[in-house]
Amino acid sequence: EADIYQTPRYLVIGTGKKITLECSQTMGHDKMYWYQQDPGMELHLIHYSYGVNSTEKGDLSSESTVSRIRTEHFPLTLESARPSHTSQYLCASSESPNSPLHFGNGTRLTVT
Amino acid sequence: KNQVEQNPQSLIILEGKNCTLQCNYTVSPFSNLRWYKQDTGRGPVSLTIMTFSENTKSNGRYTATLDADTKQSSLHITASQLSDSASYICVVSDRGSTLGRLYFGRGTQLTVWP
Repeated sequence: EADIYQTPRYLVIGTGKKITLECSQTMGHDKMYWYQQDPGMELHLIHYSYGVNSTEKGDLSSESTVSRIRTEHFPLTLESARPSHTSQYLCASSESPNSPLHFGNGTRLTVT
Repeated sequence: KNQVEQNPQSLIILEGKNCTLQCNYTVSPFSNLRWYKQDTGRGPVSLTIMTFSENTKSNGRYTATLDADTKQSSLHITASQLSDSASYICVVSDRGSTLGRLYFGRGTQLTVWP
C-alpha cells in the first residue's frame, strides 16, 4: 500500500475559494510531484520538487502554487478556484528521477 | 513530437483468460519504459520498469516486453482475475535531461467479467 497520503480525498467548493491540497510521504524521498488527471486522459505534470526549498513548474500551465518546507510535505494551493480547476490531482514521490513513482490516491476536486 | 499511444483503449475479457495490451512510443532519446496499474479511485501503482537492454520483465502474472528497435512494448496478463480490472498506463522516460521527463499514455481500461 501507498506510503504517500493525500487529503482530502474529495472536495467540492465554490468559485473563488482558496484551497490547499495536502500531500505527505514517509519514505524520505527528495523528489515529489503533482499531476493532474482527467478521465480518459494522460497524466500531466503541474509541479515538481527535488528537495526542500526547491520547486518548479511542470509541463501543464497551472494557476496553482506549491511549497516544500519539509522533505515529507508538498502541499498544493489554489488561491481562487474556478470550474476549470475541476479535476483529479495526484501527488507522487520517487527516490530518483528514474525510479518508479509512488502515487497517493488522489484528491478529486469539483469547483461549482 | 514525443508521444505514447496505447491500444486498445478498452478491453473486456472473461475471468481466467489471457490478454495483451500494446504501447507504441516515439520518445527519443529513450531511458526506460514503465507500466502502471490504476484501480478506480486510486493512484497508479508500478508494475514493471524496463531499460533499453531488457526485453522481458515479469511481475507475477504480468509480463512486459520491450522492443526498443520498433519502439513497442506489450503487457501480457495471464489467467486474468476480477481484481485485474483497472486502467493500465504505459509511461516512457527520456534521458534528455536530469529530470528524466516522463511521457504518459492514456491507458487501456481492462474489465474482467466473471
